[in-house]
Amino acid sequence: AQSVTQLDSQVPVFEEAPVELRCNYSSSVSVYLFWYVQYPNQGLQLLLKYLSGSTLVESINGFEAEFNKSQTSFHLRKPSVHISDTAEYFCAVGLTGGGNKLTFGTGTQLKVEL
Amino acid sequence: GAGVSQSPSNKVTEKGKDVELRCDPISGHTALYWYRQSLGQGLEFLIYFQGNSAPDKSGLPSDRFSAERTGGSVSTLTIQRTQQEDSAVYLCASRETGGGYTFGSGTRLTVV
Repeated sequence: AQSVTQLDSQVPVFEEAPVELRCNYSSSVSVYLFWYVQYPNQGLQLLLKYLSGSTLVESINGFEAEFNKSQTSFHLRKPSVHISDTAEYFCAVGLTGGGNKLTFGTGTQLKVEL
Repeated sequence: GAGVSQSPSNKVTEKGKDVELRCDPISGHTALYWYRQSLGQGLEFLIYFQGNSAPDKSGLPSDRFSAERTGGSVSTLTIQRTQQEDSAVYLCASRETGGGYTFGSGTRLTVV
C-alpha cells in the first residue's frame, strides 16, 4: 500500500517570499503524483501532476514540483507567493498500474501575509 | 454538466437519523469516487465505482455506510444511524479514463 506524508500542517509566509511545501511518499511500485489546492469554501482543484517524463512539472500560476525518486519526494515550490495563494495544499499518490483511487496527505495550510 | 455537482451543500441532521448525499459526475466520466474530509485530516477514501465493475468499498468505515451508482451516472452515499463522528465534508470526484480527478464542492455534514 502507498502512503503520503506532508510534515508541515501550516506554513506562514510573507507575500513575495519563496515557499516550499514538502511531500514524501511511500510505495513499492511506480506511482503518479499530484498536488491539489483547496481554496476556502471550495472543492479541490488539480494544481499539477507527474505521470512520466520530465521530473519537473509546472502549473500555470507559477508553482512547480520536482519528482525525486531516490528521496521519494514531490515537494511543491513557488519563488514568489501572492496573497491569493492562501489555501490548503494536498499531495496525493496513485499507482501507475491501477490508476484508481488516490491516497492523499493530510494537507498543508499555506497562509500568505502582507 | 460542466463540473461535478453535489447536493446538498450543507446538511445538519440529528444523531441516529439516516442521510443521503448525492453526486452528479461529469457526463461521460467512467469513474466516480467518494472521499471524506474531516477537520484537520486529509482525504479519506470511501468507495470507488468504475463502469459496470463491482465497486471498491474498501474505505467504507462501517456497515452504516453504503453507496450506489445508478445507470453509471448519479451516485448516492447513504449513512444510516448517523453518529457525531460522521460529521465531515463528503467529497465526490469523477474521472475519465486516463484523466485526472475533478472534485465537487462537497457536502458538509453536521451531526448534532
